Amino acid sequence: AQSVAQPEDQVNVAEGNPLTVKCTYSVSGNPYLFWYVQYPNRGLQFLLKYITGDNLVKGSYGFEAEFNKSQTSFHLKKPSALVSDSALYFCAVREHLQGGKLIFGQGTELSVKP
Amino acid sequence: GAGVSQSPSNKVTEKGKDVELRCDPISGHTALYWYRQSLGQGLEFLIYFQGNSAPDKSGLPSDRFSAERTGGSVSTLTIQRTQQEDSAVYLCASSYTGTGHEQYFGPGTRLTVT
Repeated sequence: AQSVAQPEDQVNVAEGNPLTVKCTYSVSGNPYLFWYVQYPNRGLQFLLKYITGDNLVKGSYGFEAEFNKSQTSFHLKKPSALVSDSALYFCAVREHLQGGKLIFGQGTELSVKP
Repeated sequence: GAGVSQSPSNKVTEKGKDVELRCDPISGHTALYWYRQSLGQGLEFLIYFQGNSAPDKSGLPSDRFSAERTGGSVSTLTIQRTQQEDSAVYLCASSYTGTGHEQYFGPGTRLTVT
């Protein structure tokens, strides 16, 4: 069965510092990986995805993520955090290339302080 | 363009009543998904519609839950005889069919069962 783990419930970062939000996954076949962000009282907003190809994928708002097959990880990163990045971040995996349900991690609350 | 829309945005109902939640996907998206977000359970998949194929109902928690999608567009999620544990935010998402397409989420319906 597929699963996603986000080991940190909360990450605290000072504005201007780099940030990392961790994600590990478990799938039986090829992983199709996604990051979403949720601002308070809003729906989920797509950030980036890994389907195939280059292990470093770039997404919205300056975020990027690195796919590491040997470590089964897909950590979200940003070189310089902004206060406005404070939100809830979800990692998700999908089993099938063509579509199907997402399995989400439990979410990580990112807090960026000035 | 217009995103995924959901109605109502908030719904308060008494235990034992039936409720209907509506989702309007992005025009042209052939796939439609329902998820539930609650404090204790995180983000859970409920049901997935893809074109004219039989829906994937594997995430529905009980037979009190059902959903339909009319004309390949609008979807309605129905919860019969609501229970307090049904209180959650119900999220709808849609996507294109095909390689690696991400899902786009609506703002959700917050259901409170009293």
